[in-house]
Amino acid sequence: SQTIHQWPATLVQPVGSPLSLECTVEGTSNPNLYWYRQAAGRGLQLLFYSVGIGQISSEVPQNLSASRPQDRQFILSSKKLLLSDSGFYLCAWIQGANVDTQYFGPGTRLTVL
Amino acid sequence: QKEVEQNSGPLSVPEGAIASLNCTYSDRGSQSFFWYRQYSGKSPELIMFIYSNGDKEDGRFTAQLNKASQYVSLLIRDSQPSDSATYLCAVNRDGGSQGNLIFGKGTKLSVKP
Repeated sequence: SQTIHQWPATLVQPVGSPLSLECTVEGTSNPNLYWYRQAAGRGLQLLFYSVGIGQISSEVPQNLSASRPQDRQFILSSKKLLLSDSGFYLCAWIQGANVDTQYFGPGTRLTVL
Repeated sequence: QKEVEQNSGPLSVPEGAIASLNCTYSDRGSQSFFWYRQYSGKSPELIMFIYSNGDKEDGRFTAQLNKASQYVSLLIRDSQPSDSATYLCAVNRDGGSQGNLIFGKGTKLSVKP
């Protein structure tokens, strides 16, 4: 069966520090992968999605970036965190084309102080 | 701007009652519709998806879709305190070509014992 992992589970970082969040999927190949952010009191905001290795589409211009170095690995990064980057970061995946049922990982709660 | 609208609630129902959650969407081209449940501090989990007009039942849950009126609803029969959570409605976009979803901000449901 398929499993999606995210780490770390929680993170507290100072403003201006770098960020690296990792998402990996097991038990599948060539999934579409997604990064969302859920800020307090707000809905899920799609940040990036990827349909394959090295293929990244950005939804919101900001100080975040994403990379997909391997088929089942998706990384969210920042060089300098802002207070507004605080939130619950969720990775999601779907399997294959013409399928749009997304499944979420456990999430990373980021607090920027 | 394609949107998904939900009443934020909280919706409070007594244990054993039927909870009715509603969602409207703006994109007439949307073809896939999803309901996710999110417990506080946890990631969203998929409850149901529906593609065709009408009702789809799964246990105590029934999803209803009316494409002409652009709304989708979720009925929870025999509501239990464990159903207390935020329910997210999601619809596909871009014709479903990338599996991208637009999420509503969610309706918070509280089931009182």
